[in-house]
Amino acid sequence: NAGVMQNPRHLVRRRGQEARLRCSPMKGHSHVYWYRQLPEEGLKFMVYLQKENIIDESGMPKERFSAEFPKEGPSILRIQQVVRGDSAAYFCASSPDPGPAASSGANVLTFGAGSRLTVL
Amino acid sequence: KQEVTQIPAALSVPEGENLVLNCSFTDSAIYNLQWFRQDPGKGLTSLLLIQSSQREQTSGRLNASLDKSSGRSTLYIAASQPGDSATYLCAVLRSNDYKLSFGAGTTVTVRA
Repeated sequence: NAGVMQNPRHLVRRRGQEARLRCSPMKGHSHVYWYRQLPEEGLKFMVYLQKENIIDESGMPKERFSAEFPKEGPSILRIQQVVRGDSAAYFCASSPDPGPAASSGANVLTFGAGSRLTVL
Repeated sequence: KQEVTQIPAALSVPEGENLVLNCSFTDSAIYNLQWFRQDPGKGLTSLLLIQSSQREQTSGRLNASLDKSSGRSTLYIAASQPGDSATYLCAVLRSNDYKLSFGAGTTVTVRA
């Protein structure tokens, strides 16, 4: 089991370009979560997706950011027209069917190694 | 809204000394609390997970305690080694939720 795979590990973009970050969940996991870690800050929830569905995007900036998790292939976090403030580490996590939080430990997340975006 | 605070923000100790890392959270209605290790430029490694019904968890030289009523958890690392140098993150999962709330971390340096 290769774990949660994220790529690219490092990405450099100039202001105004687009950034695409990919995440392949662990085998058997159908739930994906994206978190962002700004310098000197804790990880902040961005979005929660299941296959072909966005469940909760309450942590996503309203503009320029979008996420998808298609039926086939990895989850994609897309940032359009990047600005310097988007420079951060973006972490993906996956879990099996989380179910109600009180039912089991199935909502334990496994994190990927992160993608570090630098905007020049 | 769950707020998670970790104190101190940074810690430097000589090798062999025991480490004590603190985490506090504002909403005691949690499902579990997890301690992670993050190495520079790398991902998160889960160290210990404590369910809300538990008081502590142990793994090797690591021991984590949980006091839900006071909103606190402590991570103890016995006989520290230079390889323990990393940032340690505390994360809380509220009941009936799926979003982890993270502290900003404690950066530990163990001097040889």
